[in-house]
Amino acid sequence: GAVVSQHPSWVICKSGTSVKIECRSLDFQATTMFWYRQFPKQSLMLMATSNEGSKATYEQGVEKDKFLINHASLTLSTLTVTSAHPEDSSFYICSAETGGAKSFFGQGTRLTVV
Amino acid sequence: RKEVEQDPGPFNVPEGATVAFNCTYSNSASQSFFWYRQDCRKEPKLLMSVYSSGNEDGRFTAQLNRASQYISLLIRDSKLSDSATYLCVVNIPGGFKTIFGAGTRLFVKA
Repeated sequence: GAVVSQHPSWVICKSGTSVKIECRSLDFQATTMFWYRQFPKQSLMLMATSNEGSKATYEQGVEKDKFLINHASLTLSTLTVTSAHPEDSSFYICSAETGGAKSFFGQGTRLTVV
Repeated sequence: RKEVEQDPGPFNVPEGATVAFNCTYSNSASQSFFWYRQDCRKEPKLLMSVYSSGNEDGRFTAQLNRASQYISLLIRDSKLSDSATYLCVVNIPGGFKTIFGAGTRLFVKA
């Protein structure tokens, strides 16, 4: 299957700082990537759809000024959590879809804000 | 009504048991269907696609009933390593909308 690489796999940061998470498609081009958040024992929640060369589309209730998404190339999308707070601590996962509508996920980033 | 609904679980079964998960979807325009597996604190991984004719991969069998908007996953001869959360996933074309079910947790016990 397709390979999606996400970095870093875990990060601990102080309240008020910003954290950048990278998502790369390694063996295919992804014009669209997706960012999810998952709290413990809960389902994946789509945060936003990242579109190469244009603005991301955010789901209702997700603050676009807090979760900055940049999709500058066909293989890279970044999510920046700005002014992080403890309630932002979560598991963030990116995915990209192939032509067959199959989703391939990055390894996820476990963010802990202290 | 949720767009994709799954059995709430958790399912606790002994090794060797057969277990079935169900999933219903609300949008009749859905075209592609998948089952994913997610281990604790890991990313979801594609288990298998679901085709109208039904498909099998070893101990796993997936079925799709478009008329009832229903998908199922059957696991035979359960192994301890099958313990995970199983996600039902539905894709609606024309907008790359992929919807994940909340997942069903399976615990296989020795």
